Amino acid sequence: AQSVTQLGSHVSVSEGALVLLRCNYSSSVPPYLFWYVQYPNQGLQLLLKYTSAATLVKGINGFEAEFKKSETSFHLTKPSAHMSDAAEYFCAVSEAQAGTALIFGKGTTLSVSS
Amino acid sequence: DAGVIQSPRHEVTEMGQEVTLRCKPISGHDYLFWYRQTMMRGLELLIYFNNNVPIDDSGMPEDRFSAKMPNASFSTLKIQPSEPRDSAVYFCASSSTSGAPYEQYFGPGTRLTVT
Repeated sequence: AQSVTQLGSHVSVSEGALVLLRCNYSSSVPPYLFWYVQYPNQGLQLLLKYTSAATLVKGINGFEAEFKKSETSFHLTKPSAHMSDAAEYFCAVSEAQAGTALIFGKGTTLSVSS
Repeated sequence: DAGVIQSPRHEVTEMGQEVTLRCKPISGHDYLFWYRQTMMRGLELLIYFNNNVPIDDSGMPEDRFSAKMPNASFSTLKIQPSEPRDSAVYFCASSSTSGAPYEQYFGPGTRLTVT
């Protein structure tokens, strides 16, 4: 069975600092991996996805993530945090088949202080 | 495209009442998913459809929950009777096997409060 573990339910950084949100997955088949962002009182928005092409994936708003099969990880990073990055971030996994459901992690709330 | 549309955005009801949540997927998408988000359990898949046919409803918590997709542009999630523990945000998402497969597009959610 697939699963996702997000380490740290809450991460706090200063504006301009590096953002690192951790995600580890478990999957018996080649996974597709996603990061979504949720702003308060809104739905989820796709930040980036890994679908077996390049292992370093660039997304919107300056975020990127690297797929590391040996570590079963897909950590999300951003070199310099902005106040507008404050939100909840979800890592998700699905089997490499179109249309299968996503399995989400518990989420990590990112706080950015000035 | 207007994206995934959900209605109502907020619903407050009393225990025992019937609640119907509605979703209009993105035109041309052939998969539709219903998720529930709570503080305790996070985001959970309830049910999903492919070409209007339910594929997996193993996440539906109990018989009080039912979902239908009568056509490609409309789905409902019904709770009857509702209970306070059903209070949550319910999201609908859709995706397509063509174009950008595997990407799910989420609606804004319906915040349900059962008193």
